[in-house]
Amino acid sequence: ETGVTQSPTHLIKTRGQQVTLRCSSQSGHNTVSWYQQALGQGPQFIFQYYREEENGRGNFPPRFSGLQFPNYSSELNVNALELDDSALYLCASSFQGDNSPLHFGNGTRLTVT
Amino acid sequence: AQTVTQSQPEMSVQEAETVTLSCTYDTSENNYYLFWYKQPPSRQMILVIRQEAYKQQNATENRFSVNFQKAAKSFSLKISDSQLGDTAMYFCAFMGTNTGNQFYFGTGTSLTVIP
Repeated sequence: ETGVTQSPTHLIKTRGQQVTLRCSSQSGHNTVSWYQQALGQGPQFIFQYYREEENGRGNFPPRFSGLQFPNYSSELNVNALELDDSALYLCASSFQGDNSPLHFGNGTRLTVT
Repeated sequence: AQTVTQSQPEMSVQEAETVTLSCTYDTSENNYYLFWYKQPPSRQMILVIRQEAYKQQNATENRFSVNFQKAAKSFSLKISDSQLGDTAMYFCAFMGTNTGNQFYFGTGTSLTVIP
């Protein structure tokens, strides 16, 4: 069983730039969720993708967008980066329909300077 | 809106002893799931234990057990025979069946197991 993998592990960007984070879901899972974890905080829900469409969104502005591909992998895109976007971005996969728990990757640490 | 509160930012326990981490939540839903996740320095969130709200019996997983009090909206985690590898951040999480698989997390409790 292949677990959730994320790339890159670390990233440094400048304010105003754009960034793309990538995630491969665990085998057998069809749903991908993205979470933002600021330092010292719990993860905050950004959005979820199921069947290549956004299937729920948290309180994040439109400059946070995503994609899900036919193989269930996913991308998180953030435009016009702000200093407050510095955080650990966690991808989690699950199987839609059985209220299954989230299975997380190791995250991408994004630093915006 | 759902909220999850963990009122203990930091805790410590002697190796082989027992420790209990607290969690309370607020929701208007009747059907939901509760989870405890562990986040070691490697950053990966690892599922520790899961509880379905419709089950009265408390979940157990080896050394880990929960005390689920639905009326009080309380969901504490008990770790027995603590081991050095249990040192990590612990997050309580809520998922309502009406909220599209969105998880709500608390702010976490940093647990240190002392040799």
